Amino acid sequence: EIVLTQSPGTLSLSPGERATLSCRASQTVTSRYLAWYRQRPGQAPRLLIYSASSRATGIPDRFSGSGSGTDFTLTINRLEPEDFAVYYCQQYGSTSITFGQGTRLEIK
Amino acid sequence: QVQLVESGGGVVQPGGSLRLSCVASGFTFSSYGMHWVRQSPGKGLEWVAFIRYDGINKYYADSVKGPFTISRDNSNNTVYLQMNSLRTEDTAVYYCARDTFTYSYSTFGHWGQGTLVTVSA
Repeated sequence: EIVLTQSPGTLSLSPGERATLSCRASQTVTSRYLAWYRQRPGQAPRLLIYSASSRATGIPDRFSGSGSGTDFTLTINRLEPEDFAVYYCQQYGSTSITFGQGTRLEIK
Repeated sequence: QVQLVESGGGVVQPGGSLRLSCVASGFTFSSYGMHWVRQSPGKGLEWVAFIRYDGINKYYADSVKGPFTISRDNSNNTVYLQMNSLRTEDTAVYYCARDTFTYSYSTFGHWGQGTLVTVSA
């Protein structure tokens, strides 16, 4: 099973700033099959990015993904109030899907 | 619009069984793979199981392989999760999720609201 490790655990920023979240895999993620989700309190997660860098339907271009192999990054430009939430990465390059433990983005 | 409505959660004793259901609407159910994902209180996400659009292929997380069974009824737009031999560590909100793309096994493009399963004596 591929283990995903996200860093930092918590990120404190102000609205309008840029957030950079990291996701590191224990082995190569096949074909860049890496996704990112945002989960607000009391809500189900929402897909933001798939295939490492493709934005899901309805996701603004403030969100961008990059990376390959074992290292992936989610960048959020011009943070808005609704962006302060928990973010998860997920790999689907093997028959056993796994998630990272999450990064909490909080208002500074 | 896509809707996924889970039901069947509740309180069950360790060793007991529960069957979750997820009724789908707003899309061609028989064209999409379906997943179950769970989240323990205050914890992260854990993928549980997947069933292919036609029900032929099924995959499970190692933590549930054996006691849990995923199935689907394409005539009634419903996916199920039969959970046997439940343990306290199975306590979680269980989400039904639709795969993002047709005929694929990938990401979770749509989610239900979740149903809470509590395993406690």
